Amino acid sequence: EIVLTQSPVTLSLSPGERATLSCRASQSVSNAFLAWYQHKPGQVPRLLISATSTRATAIPARFSGSGSGTDFTLTISSLEPEDSALYYCQQYGYSPSPMYTFGQGSKVEVK
Amino acid sequence: EVQLVESGGGLVKPGGSLRLSCEASGFSFFNYVLAWVRQAPGKGLEWVSSISSSSASTYYADSVRGRFTISRDTAKKSLFLQMNSLRAEDTAVYYCVRSPGWSFDYWGQGTLVTVSS
Repeated sequence: EIVLTQSPVTLSLSPGERATLSCRASQSVSNAFLAWYQHKPGQVPRLLISATSTRATAIPARFSGSGSGTDFTLTISSLEPEDSALYYCQQYGYSPSPMYTFGQGSKVEVK
Repeated sequence: EVQLVESGGGLVKPGGSLRLSCEASGFSFFNYVLAWVRQAPGKGLEWVSSISSSSASTYYADSVRGRFTISRDTAKKSLFLQMNSLRAEDTAVYYCVRSPGWSFDYWGQGTLVTVSS
């Protein structure tokens, strides 16, 4: 089973700053199988990025994804106050049957 | 507009059973993999189970395999999760989700399952 480890656990930044979130996999992950989600308190998780770098519908361009192999990154280029949330990476793999795994999450605070 | 509406959550004693339902609308139900994802209090997201568009294939997390059964009804455009032998650690908000492939693009509002004596 592939384990996803996210860092940092918490990131506190000011509006306009750049946020870089890391997701490291215990084994190589296909770029097609890596996604990122945003989850705000009291709301439903929202898909931000699929296939490592494809923004989902209506996701602002300040969100971007990159990476390959075991190291993936979510970047928020210029933070807005509404970007305060938990961010999860997720991968799809086989162990030996199909399964989905989430990272433990990174909290972004925009103050 | 894609909508996924869960129901069936509630309070159940350890060892008990519960059946969750999810009504789907706004998309071609028979074309998509559907799944359940849960979030325990204070914890992160955990994939629980998935079912293929034809119902031919079902998959489960190790933590629920043998206790939970996923199914779908195309005529009713509904997804189900039969949960048996429930444990305290199954306490969570359960989300019905749509999968276009390898991710989850639409989520329901969630239904709370509490397992407690």
